[in-house]
Amino acid sequence: QSALTQPASVSGSPGQSITISCTGTSSDVGGYNYVSWYQQHPGKAPKLMIYEVSNRPSGVPDRFSGSKSGNTASLTISGLQAEDEADYYCSSYTSSSTLVVFGGGTKLTVL
Amino acid sequence: EVQLVQSGAEVKKPGESLKISCKGSGYSFTSYWIGWVRQMPGKGLEWMGIIYPGDSDTRYSPSFQGQVTISADKSISTAYLQWSSLKASDTAMYYCAITERAYSSGWDYWGQGTLVTVSS
Repeated sequence: QSALTQPASVSGSPGQSITISCTGTSSDVGGYNYVSWYQQHPGKAPKLMIYEVSNRPSGVPDRFSGSKSGNTASLTISGLQAEDEADYYCSSYTSSSTLVVFGGGTKLTVL
Repeated sequence: EVQLVQSGAEVKKPGESLKISCKGSGYSFTSYWIGWVRQMPGKGLEWMGIIYPGDSDTRYSPSFQGQVTISADKSISTAYLQWSSLKASDTAMYYCAITERAYSSGWDYWGQGTLVTVSS
């Protein structure tokens, strides 16, 4: 069981917006602004999409945005495109000895 | 251009030892944290541990403490993940990654992964 809880799957049609949630506790997501999101296509390495809750690395389209409220972080993808179909993982710093935790991952299907 | 190049796929038997590598280039190797992440077949990402090559500060997830050893050789800009006695349950893809910021912030660059298969 992963430390952070994500929905197993979400779907949307091209052009639509979707949101993926990531729920933790006050020891991780809720306690620090150190939530990051990764995109992983089949057979590929993960790619950083959002860091520190809402910052986009250079080269990541502004269709991707992140936010946080309490113990739940969210990744929103607007204007869905076919190439957005992938697995998405959230991650957070945690005050436990684990230091970093991941969510279980969410499979995004673009219909 | 920042690059992390990992060593090739390995097939090992239970009980054997193994050391896989991650060579960094295009950045100051001693100034960035390097992390290791496991992905078992069909499963999610698991954080294993990190090392700061500048001073060899190393930290492990409790799940992996004592099971693996993380190290780095500054002279050749290479980090390592090693096992002294592999188990079938170590079969997975292993990724190295670096962050430009604090290790808690997010991992900016990733290696291509090393597939480790442990089977008798």
